[in-house]
Amino acid sequence: GAGVSQSPSNKVTEKGKDVELRCDPISGHTALYWYRQSLGQGLEFLIYFQGNSAPDKSGLPSDRFSAERTGGSVSTLTIQRTQQEDSAVYLCASSFQGASGELFFGEGSRLTVL
Amino acid sequence: QKEVEQDPGPLSVPEGAIVSLNCTYSNSAFQYFMWYRQYSRKGPELLMYTYSSGNKEDGRFTAQVDKSSKYISLFIRDSQPSDSATYLCAFLDGSSNTGKLIFGQGTTLQVKP
Repeated sequence: GAGVSQSPSNKVTEKGKDVELRCDPISGHTALYWYRQSLGQGLEFLIYFQGNSAPDKSGLPSDRFSAERTGGSVSTLTIQRTQQEDSAVYLCASSFQGASGELFFGEGSRLTVL
Repeated sequence: QKEVEQDPGPLSVPEGAIVSLNCTYSNSAFQYFMWYRQYSRKGPELLMYTYSSGNKEDGRFTAQVDKSSKYISLFIRDSQPSDSATYLCAFLDGSSNTGKLIFGQGTTLQVKP
């Protein structure tokens, strides 16, 4: 497709379970970002990829959060042992090479932890 | 002190009104200033982008930057119901080589017909 694709669009899980969220960026975009949007909290930066490397993972809130990117394309954000405070919309964005400030966002994965 | 402050609203105006949305920031390294628009249950999309103090106009939208006061604004003229969305200010550090944006909290705008 032409845009950033994220799956699943909605995920309901029980506290303590692991979840995986997937992002398929725009073809040719080497920069990929994960953000988290909680109710009334704005967008919180999580991690930045350039190609398959993550030179900035400063926003990951705990070691329960990890992400990888393979083939310079698809990225997966994994949350282990989910907690209720992890409930949020997880947004993925891509950019051509990065550093420009113009990010193209997917529609997000809405995570609810019961 | 937060790096970026943005009044979350909500802001409700009648159709045709002039809307003013504002953000203040504290980081002097911010050199690029953006406004993103986010419709309900969608991802944000870039609306305006500027890097200098002053005004930039695009149709009904005007972005204003005052670096000396660390204050940016977005003005919407002749507002339409289709402008109802959340507006997020965003900032990029001038020395950044990552393109990582710092976002405001977002202001929710409703334009009533």
